[in-house]
Formats: sequence, C-alpha cells, structure tokens
Amino acid sequence: AQKVTQAQTEISVVEKEDVTLDCVYETRDTTYYLFWYKQPPSGELVFLIRRNSFDEQNEISGRYSWNFQKSTSSFNFTITASQVVDSAVYFCALSEAGGSYIPTFGRGTSLIVHP
Amino acid sequence: DARVTQTPRDKVTEMGQEVTMRCQPILGHNTVFWYRQTMMQGLELLAYFRNRAPLDDSGMPKDRFSAEMPDATLATLKIQPSEPRDSAVYFCASGPGQGYNEQFFGPGTRLTVL
Repeated sequence: AQKVTQAQTEISVVEKEDVTLDCVYETRDTTYYLFWYKQPPSGELVFLIRRNSFDEQNEISGRYSWNFQKSTSSFNFTITASQVVDSAVYFCALSEAGGSYIPTFGRGTSLIVHP
Repeated sequence: DARVTQTPRDKVTEMGQEVTMRCQPILGHNTVFWYRQTMMQGLELLAYFRNRAPLDDSGMPKDRFSAEMPDATLATLKIQPSEPRDSAVYFCASGPGQGYNEQFFGPGTRLTVL
C-alpha cells in the first residue's frame, strides 16, 4: 500500500499566485517523521523541512508554509507569491519508527511557475 | 560547505558490462542511502546503511546489484551485468543520526545502458 500520496502530478501557475502541494500519508505508528524535498531542474534533491508526529504546529519560512494535520493525515505545503525559481519537483516523504525509519517518498509534484 | 559527492556524474555503457558508482557521504554522517529515479517508478530506495551496516536492501535486485560501504567515507553501488532497464539516475544521500533526520543528496549519477 502506498504510504505517501501526492495526488497532484503537475501544477502550473503564473508567477505571484499562491499554490498548495498536497501530501497524504498512511501509517499505524505513533512516532513518525514527515519531510518535504525540492528537486530543481539541476537534479539534486534539497531538504526543505522535517516534522515529527508529536508536533502539529504549522511552520512558516519566508514564502513557504507547511500545514500538518494528523486528523486528516496530511502535510501540505504552500508557496505564497510563487516565483519562477520555485519551479521544481517537490517530494513528500515519511519515516516511521516501526519501519526502522526507512524513508518512503511520494511520487512527487511537478510545479511549473510561468512568468 | 559539506556536500555529498558522487562519481561518475554520467555513465554510458553497453549491456552486460559492470558498472560501479561511488559516493562520499558528508563527514560525520552515519546513515547512507542509495536511490534510483526513473520517470516510470519515481524515487526508489535501493539500499540503506547505518554505521556502515546494511539495514535494508529489499528494493534492490539482488541478482545483479550490490551495495557496500568499505569504510565510512565511501559507499559503492555495483551492477553486474548491467541491462538497459537499469538506465536511470542513481542518487546517494547521507544523514546524521538515525533515519528520521533529513537527508543530504548528492548530484546523482546518470546511467545509460545501451
């Protein structure tokens, strides 16, 4: 069973629009970690954020914000006032204590920001 | 600025040849991961090491793939014999502490098997 679902394969927006990337996860563990990574056209994945299952506080970092809701098993990522440089593939990932923290990645969402 | 390094960056080979990819994790990181990325399958975990010991390699085709960490500064991924379906980008990543910490990815090795 897929543990991390990123239902949006591709999103296309115009610069300055806000965009939300969805991530839904599945786990029976009470202790787990969620991540977002960015893969720009250059290819190298870059870590953006980590959240543990005991901390549902939302986080904001500049134009980026993350909404973690255990009730809906979601960890969504919002970019405010998108820019062309935000164009990339974004991956959500899950590591579970019961799974020896072996990471599971979603299929990724390709974000295209048009000027 | 510490980074994960991978060599080679690009490799073109013929079917049946042996391929060796190398990774130097960030100094002090004790978890190392190998991933394969293709359009069809996305990002697949091939192997996972902690303190140089293999914790999981269930995603790796055992008959032709092998992953090792001869020492803390080197991880290798070998394919023997290579097949066209192995064509993909192979990423190495390292991380501090346990697997629940963030991973730092290398630039990848783009493998083409003809």
